Amino acid sequence: DAKTTQPPSMDCAEGRAANLPCNHSTISGNEYVYWYRQIHSQGPQYIIHGLKNNETNEMASLIITEDRKSSTLILPHATLRDTAVYYCIVKIQGAQKLVFGQGTRLTINP
Amino acid sequence: DTEVTQTPKHLVMGMTNKKSLKCEQHMGHRAMYWYKQKAKKPPELMFVYSYEKLSINESVPSRFSPECPNSSLLNLHLHALQPEDSALYLCASSQVDMGFSNQPQHFGDGTRLSIL
Repeated sequence: DAKTTQPPSMDCAEGRAANLPCNHSTISGNEYVYWYRQIHSQGPQYIIHGLKNNETNEMASLIITEDRKSSTLILPHATLRDTAVYYCIVKIQGAQKLVFGQGTRLTINP
Repeated sequence: DTEVTQTPKHLVMGMTNKKSLKCEQHMGHRAMYWYKQKAKKPPELMFVYSYEKLSINESVPSRFSPECPNSSLLNLHLHALQPEDSALYLCASSQVDMGFSNQPQHFGDGTRLSIL
């Protein structure tokens, strides 16, 4: 799996957009980017995934750069309940598993 | 709330005990996974089942024994565990094996296991 690099921690004010970056400079053309989050004492929650086009769902938006070497997860209006560890994962086509990195600990402040 | 249900939520056992963790999903998924997560670390894959057959064992010690009796149910049998096996054990499922699809895995909330 392609290695990902995320900042270890970030802060965001409640009600503002939270923009979480992820670098994956060694990504290959057939590798998908997945985002999960893990709220304290819960299992990882799937957020969104994409290959090269930007994606949006009811939880978040995923912006992937044209060269695919980085991506940004956007939570448009962060709430206190969005405080969690956010994992960016790149999965190679055909691989059976997800390999989690250290993630970004996002804290939403009132 | 998650659609992958794990029981029990907490388990304390001695090193000589035998216990089992249970995972259930009713989403019609045909791939199921066990992960182990130590405190302040990311989850690490242990086993993958695809269509009720074991397809990946990440060199897990034999004191952990997985079982997939049917497509909805996944068990993890525990025997003679060590204190360092204390961790959060997470179950996940996906529509099919992620080797054949890019559909995501969905996780349960885990069983927090403590070995005395």
